[in-house]
Amino acid sequence: QVQLQESGPGLVKPSQTLSLTCTVSGGSISSGGYYWSWIRQHPGKGLEWIGYIYYSGSTYYNPSLKSRVTISVDTSKNQFSLKLSSVTAADTAVYYCARGRGSSTPPPYYFDYWGQGTLVTVSS
Amino acid sequence: DIQMTQSPSSLSASVGDRVTITCRASQSISSYLNWYQQKPGKAPKLLIYAASSLQSGVPSRFSGSGSGTDFTLTISSLQPEDFATYYCQQSYSTLRDTFGGGTKVEIK
Repeated sequence: QVQLQESGPGLVKPSQTLSLTCTVSGGSISSGGYYWSWIRQHPGKGLEWIGYIYYSGSTYYNPSLKSRVTISVDTSKNQFSLKLSSVTAADTAVYYCARGRGSSTPPPYYFDYWGQGTLVTVSS
Repeated sequence: DIQMTQSPSSLSASVGDRVTITCRASQSISSYLNWYQQKPGKAPKLLIYAASSLQSGVPSRFSGSGSGTDFTLTISSLQPEDFATYYCQQSYSTLRDTFGGGTKVEIK
C-alpha cells in the first residue's frame, strides 16, 4: 500500500520561500508511470493543482504559479519536494502531495494516492 | 483554458436518495474526467476515473457517465458516509483549471 506524508514548516513569513517534502512509502518513487504531484486547497475553497514531476525528472507547473515553483525529487530518500518562493497571505492553504498515474505525456490520468495534507500559514 | 463547471454547488438529500452531480467542460475533453470525494479535514479520494471506471474499493452505488463536455456522477442510494464534497477533475490538458469548484452534499 502506497503512502505519502507531507512535512515542513506550518508557518512561513511573507516574501520567504515555502518548502515542503513528501515522503513516499510502499513503493519506489523511481518507478515508471507516475507523476509526483503537489496540490493545494485554500481554506474553505476548492483544489488547485500546483505542479508535478514525472519519474524521469520532467517537471510541469501550473502557469499561474510557474515563476515561483520548483519541484524536485530525491530518489535516495524516496522523497519529492516543493519550493514556492515569494509567498504572500494568498499562499496560505493546505498543501497535499499526491501520486498521479499516467504516460510520458502529461497530464497524469488521475491522482490515486494522497497525503493527509499539511496546513501552511503565511504570516509575519 | 478549459473551464470545469460543477452543478449544483451544494445540495441537500436524504439517506436512500438518488443523487446526481453534473460537471461540464468548456470544450471537449473526451473521457478524461475523474471524480473525487473529500470529507472535512481529509484528503480527496478517487472515486471514478476515465469518466466511468470505478476505482478499486469504491462502492458500486457510485457511477459515472458522460463524454465530450458533459459528465455526471450518480450515487444510486445515498448512505450516511457519502455526505461530503465532490470534485470533478479533467486530465485532458495541463492547464490552470484542472478541478471543478466542488459540490457539497449535505443531510436534508
